[in-house]
Amino acid sequence: KAGVTQTPRYLIKTRGQQVTLSCSPISGHRSVSWYQQTPGQGLQFLFEYFSETQRNKGNFPGRFSGRQFSNSRSEMNVSTLELGDSALYLCASGEGRTDTQYFGPGTRLTVL
Amino acid sequence: QQQVKQSPQSLIVQKGGISIINCAYENTAFDYFPWYQQFPGKGPALLIAIRPDVSEKKEGRFTISFNKSAKQFSLHIMDSQPGDSATYFCAASRGSGGGADGLTFGKGTHLIIQP
Repeated sequence: KAGVTQTPRYLIKTRGQQVTLSCSPISGHRSVSWYQQTPGQGLQFLFEYFSETQRNKGNFPGRFSGRQFSNSRSEMNVSTLELGDSALYLCASGEGRTDTQYFGPGTRLTVL
Repeated sequence: QQQVKQSPQSLIVQKGGISIINCAYENTAFDYFPWYQQFPGKGPALLIAIRPDVSEKKEGRFTISFNKSAKQFSLHIMDSQPGDSATYFCAASRGSGGGADGLTFGKGTHLIIQP
């Protein structure tokens, strides 16, 4: 099976803009989670989607949002970008909500 | 509040030696403890995971030791090889797999295996 794929792999935006990142889970996986990875804060949980519904959310401002489609693909949106949003955004998928999470390669977002 | 503390931050081990990375957690509701390995430019990959009903789990050269009373767990890499050079993250979550509540990660250990 193909692994988790994320597009784009690299992105450069300026402050105030918004960005949408995409994640395609492993075929058959229905749970998708998003994480932010920065050198200072490490890996932090953003949110989890299952059956097109956000089931859980980490401690991030409302500028961070997401959605999941009927084919389990997920998108993550960040509005009004700030310099501190520069990070590697990782998507992980699992067969179900209590199954092992497999990570994609991430999208490297740079905010100038 | 950092719920999972990982040490050391960096580690240099000679080829063939044992690499040991330690983690401590605070939330007693955690019941799933995985270790992830991450190479530059890649996402974290699951190495091995343990639940609190066992004190040790071994898979090949990788062993997790778990001490529930001390709320600590560690990763041992036996016969360390240069290909093991990577960043290692411990994590914890409530519920199996870490998908539902999300994984709480340690800050990572940058491991270098010298030939």
